[in-house]
Amino acid sequence: GAVVSQHPSWVICKSGTSVKIECRSLDFQATTMFWYRQFPKQSLMLMATSNEGSKATYEQGVEKDKFLINHASLTLSTLTVTSAHPEDSSFYICSAKQLAGLYEQYFGPGTRLTVT
Amino acid sequence: QKEVEQDPGPLSVPEGAIVSLNCTYSNSAFQYFMWYRQYSRKGPELLMYTYSSGNKEDGRFTAQVDKSSKYISLFIRDSQPSDSATYLCAMSPGGGRLYFGRGTQLTVWP
Repeated sequence: GAVVSQHPSWVICKSGTSVKIECRSLDFQATTMFWYRQFPKQSLMLMATSNEGSKATYEQGVEKDKFLINHASLTLSTLTVTSAHPEDSSFYICSAKQLAGLYEQYFGPGTRLTVT
Repeated sequence: QKEVEQDPGPLSVPEGAIVSLNCTYSNSAFQYFMWYRQYSRKGPELLMYTYSSGNKEDGRFTAQVDKSSKYISLFIRDSQPSDSATYLCAMSPGGGRLYFGRGTQLTVWP
């Protein structure tokens, strides 16, 4: 149980284009989903928190117009990187939390984005 | 000062050794403590979680929390090459947001 999937697992795009990454909770309903960014040999950096049906809450320094997050259902959240640039190349990981009040987060396998 | 400090290593041990991984933190509001294992280019996998102070054991893994010292540990007994990964500590005051350590890279050689 508690499986989270991400799609795609790896994407290459040209500078200036937009890329959408999907995060799905496969066997549970996720009231809250989190989006992280991870650079090589670094820890996870929280980008934003999204609750189903609400606007995402972005961490300080994260451009909300660049990283669009939508959490339209209890099993799906999407992150769209708009007008991507090479410095946006990174490993993006989502996590999902079951029900309000529980603290465990279950992580997706991550999406490697390369912007050329 | 970062809220969660973790020595990034790398840590290299022979198969069968006991591994000790540690984190310190500064926020006394943290109540929930977790250890995640992350293989290269994969998402983190939840290994252990503990609420407040105390010990928790699961197979070869033991998690310890000492809130008075703001110090948490993960022990791996009889380490195996398959345990080679990065281990991340994480903690939360409750409500969902996790605060991660930097991760410790562990290699267990045969």
